[in-house]
Amino acid sequence: AQKVTQAQTEISVVEKEDVTLDCVYETRDTTYYLFWYKQPPSGELVFLIRRNSFDEQNEISGRYSWNFQKSTSSFNFTITASQVVDSAVYFCALGGYNQGGKLIFGQGTELSVKP
Amino acid sequence: NAGVTQTPKFQVLKTGQSMTLQCAQDMNHEYMSWYRQDPGMGLRLIHYSVGAGITDQGEVPNGYNVSRSTTEDFPLRLLSAAPSQTSVYFCASSYSIHRSTGPRTEAFFGQGTRLTVV
Repeated sequence: AQKVTQAQTEISVVEKEDVTLDCVYETRDTTYYLFWYKQPPSGELVFLIRRNSFDEQNEISGRYSWNFQKSTSSFNFTITASQVVDSAVYFCALGGYNQGGKLIFGQGTELSVKP
Repeated sequence: NAGVTQTPKFQVLKTGQSMTLQCAQDMNHEYMSWYRQDPGMGLRLIHYSVGAGITDQGEVPNGYNVSRSTTEDFPLRLLSAAPSQTSVYFCASSYSIHRSTGPRTEAFFGQGTRLTVV
């Protein structure tokens, strides 16, 4: 069975702190995809990143970075020098190739960045 | 390019009423799906479709019907609304392709529909 676990329900940091959001997944598929989405208070889902299972390179985009480790089935997300605008709920999701576009979501982590 | 369009954005229903949430995509994607979001539970799959005329159940299908008569549209029907169906509903469209660099998939979400059943 496929499963995504985001053990951190809520995280609160002060602006400019670094913060890491954890994501652990379970799957038996050899080809799969991992996603991170941001849901700001306005409610829409904003795509942040997609990572393929066969590409373990870490990725950095501005203040955002992602650490994909197949050995520990983790796909963690780090925000460097957090800002108030980063306050949102963040979802990690797992999808399979040719599986009808179905995604398995984690429970979400609510990040609050205080000034 | 509109992407994925959901209507309505907000809806209040009385218990027992029926209604249809609309979802349309203009990207010619083969896959479409419906999720519901409840506090502390992330998004859960209700129904999905791998192409026109083909649908299947997800994790929480009870109380909902779907059909896919065209590639573009994937409506979600609530047959007899219940307070337990109060939730935020998201429609998504996606595709999977195989490129020389390997397989690839993308998922695109609508803006969501906030449904309250009283």
